[in-house]
Amino acid sequence: GQSLEQPSEVTAVEGAIVQINCTYQTSGFYGLSWYQQHDGGAPTFLSYNALDGLEETGRFSSFLSRSDSYGYLLLQELQMKDSASYFCATRVLTGGGNKLTFGTGTQLKVEL
Amino acid sequence: NAGVTQTPKFRILKIGQSMTLQCTQDMNHNYMYWYRQDPGMGLKLIYYSVGAGITDKGEVPNGYNVSRSTTEDFPLRLELAAPSQTSVYFCASSYSQPGQRETQYFGPGTRLLVL
Repeated sequence: GQSLEQPSEVTAVEGAIVQINCTYQTSGFYGLSWYQQHDGGAPTFLSYNALDGLEETGRFSSFLSRSDSYGYLLLQELQMKDSASYFCATRVLTGGGNKLTFGTGTQLKVEL
Repeated sequence: NAGVTQTPKFRILKIGQSMTLQCTQDMNHNYMYWYRQDPGMGLKLIYYSVGAGITDKGEVPNGYNVSRSTTEDFPLRLELAAPSQTSVYFCASSYSQPGQRETQYFGPGTRLLVL
């Protein structure tokens, strides 16, 4: 089976740095993705790690350690518009292809 | 490109009614997915398709059916609506190749209320 754990809520101030952790137990693990979802909106892709290490995309970075079954999303220079839910998702191989399993999400609140 | 489009945006059903949620993508993606999202929760995979004519069950397929007769369309059918199917339904698509980074593109969602 698949299970992912991430904190339910994180609060930070504008301009700060915040890290959202994700641990997973997954068979057939292929990679770890991160998605952002604003209230009432659809999820949008942020980042993907297939190999150990850090991937940087602007203010967002994502890290993966396959040996620890652990990853994190790092958001720098926080802005009010970053207030949203953030989901980690494991990409797993299936008999016919691959699919994503999502965590329950971390709600990030950015305060002034 | 319109991306992934879903219809309807919102629907109220009575228990036992049936309906089809429509999903279309114009990006020539091979993979398509249906998820449901209950309030305050993550997305749960209902069904997915790796190409026209090929579908497979996800985590929560009971009470739903799908078909994929074309690359573009992936409708989700609810045969006998139940209150437990009240949720927001998201369709997504991606272009997936072995060893390649994959991004799923989501539609705007369909909000379904079963009373």
